[in-house]
Amino acid sequence: RKEVEQDPGPFNVPEGATVAFNCTYSNSASQSFFWYRQDCRKEPKLLMSVYSSGNEDGRFTAQLNRASQYISLLIRDSKLSDSATYLCVVYNAGNMLTFGGGTRLMVKP
Amino acid sequence: SQTIHQWPATLVQPVGSPLSLECTVEGTSNPNLYWYRQAAGRGLQLLFYSIGIDQISSEVPQNLSASRPQDRQFILSSKKLLLSDSGFYLCAWNTNTEAFFGQGTRLTVV
Repeated sequence: RKEVEQDPGPFNVPEGATVAFNCTYSNSASQSFFWYRQDCRKEPKLLMSVYSSGNEDGRFTAQLNRASQYISLLIRDSKLSDSATYLCVVYNAGNMLTFGGGTRLMVKP
Repeated sequence: SQTIHQWPATLVQPVGSPLSLECTVEGTSNPNLYWYRQAAGRGLQLLFYSIGIDQISSEVPQNLSASRPQDRQFILSSKKLLLSDSGFYLCAWNTNTEAFFGQGTRLTVV
């Protein structure tokens, strides 16, 4: 089993739709969690951190469920510009990164 | 400020030729450093990571090697490239709150 798993998609949604991605992690000692966005042929960029209490940034909401060991990303009112690959990142001991394989989102007009 | 430099941005190499990709970090000391590869339409595959000078861990058996001769320099190498080495290579380092990536090197082996 991979340490961090994501549904690769693609998720094809119309503009204005709400879409959610999950990411599961296997190491119960994982310490920090993040969502990154990667555009085609570009390096990943930080989208948002994920806290136990959940956090929201505009149309984006991230949540952490430690008991079930998953994090989620919800995107409301999808825009064409949201089309990208979304990567979850887990920090383990010693600040070591582990990336999920990414979930591809395609927002259609 | 902290920055990461990776070069070259694009590379076309013949099969059997050597490879050297370099990554340097500025504005921090003793960073965790990583080399990832990404095939077209796929996720990030961790190749190597390093927690300090000359401390390299390999995640997958492959035709590549990595070295960290200085604290903020991470080099990815190959003695003889294979067609399957083609891909998008990313260098990264992280703080406890964020990971930073180089611009990536798009390698095409022909």
